[in-house]
Amino acid sequence: NAGVTQTPKFQVLKTGQSMTLQCAQDMNHNSMYWYRQDPGMGLRLIYYSASEGTTDKGEVPNGYNVSRLNKREFSLRLESAAPSQTSVYFCASSEADGMDTQYFGPGTRLTVL
Amino acid sequence: KNEVEQSPQNLTAQEGEFITINCSYSVGISALHWLQQHPGGGIVSLFMLSSGKKKHGRLIATINIQEKHSSLHITASHPRDSAVYICAVKESGGSNYKLTFGKGTLLTVNP
Repeated sequence: NAGVTQTPKFQVLKTGQSMTLQCAQDMNHNSMYWYRQDPGMGLRLIYYSASEGTTDKGEVPNGYNVSRLNKREFSLRLESAAPSQTSVYFCASSEADGMDTQYFGPGTRLTVL
Repeated sequence: KNEVEQSPQNLTAQEGEFITINCSYSVGISALHWLQQHPGGGIVSLFMLSSGKKKHGRLIATINIQEKHSSLHITASHPRDSAVYICAVKESGGSNYKLTFGKGTLLTVNP
């Protein structure tokens, strides 16, 4: 089992460019999450998907969109990147909700110039 | 708004020492998670607690719901325990899916 995989591992964008971060899990989990991690701050939830076909906003959703393509895949899209979106992005999955262990992907380090 | 505070922010220990990392929070919770972030960046879940105490190998996690406090203990610390340890809580009555994370405690264990 690969667990949770993310692509790409690193990305540099110019302000205004768009990109999609991909995430997939092979644990048959219902719930998937996108977080960002910034220096001096805790992980912050961007969006989550409680189950296939549903998505909901987290703490910091502005500037992002998500798609739960199927049970395995959950993508995060930046339509018009801004320097404030420079961060490390983590995808995670869990069997159900916040009472369950979350399994994290390796992260994507994104720099917006 | 729930605040999750961890102490200390940084901790340096000698191999073999007993380590304690603390987490306090400001509102009622239904679950508390301890996670470990390796120097390479990967994040691994260590424990999920809703009451009492859990043990896994040299790691022990305790929680006191009334005092809104949890501790993570590492016995016989080893350089490979060097990592950032993160506490996260799920609020009672809040979204079932949202966790509030602390900023982490950076632990360095010297040989």
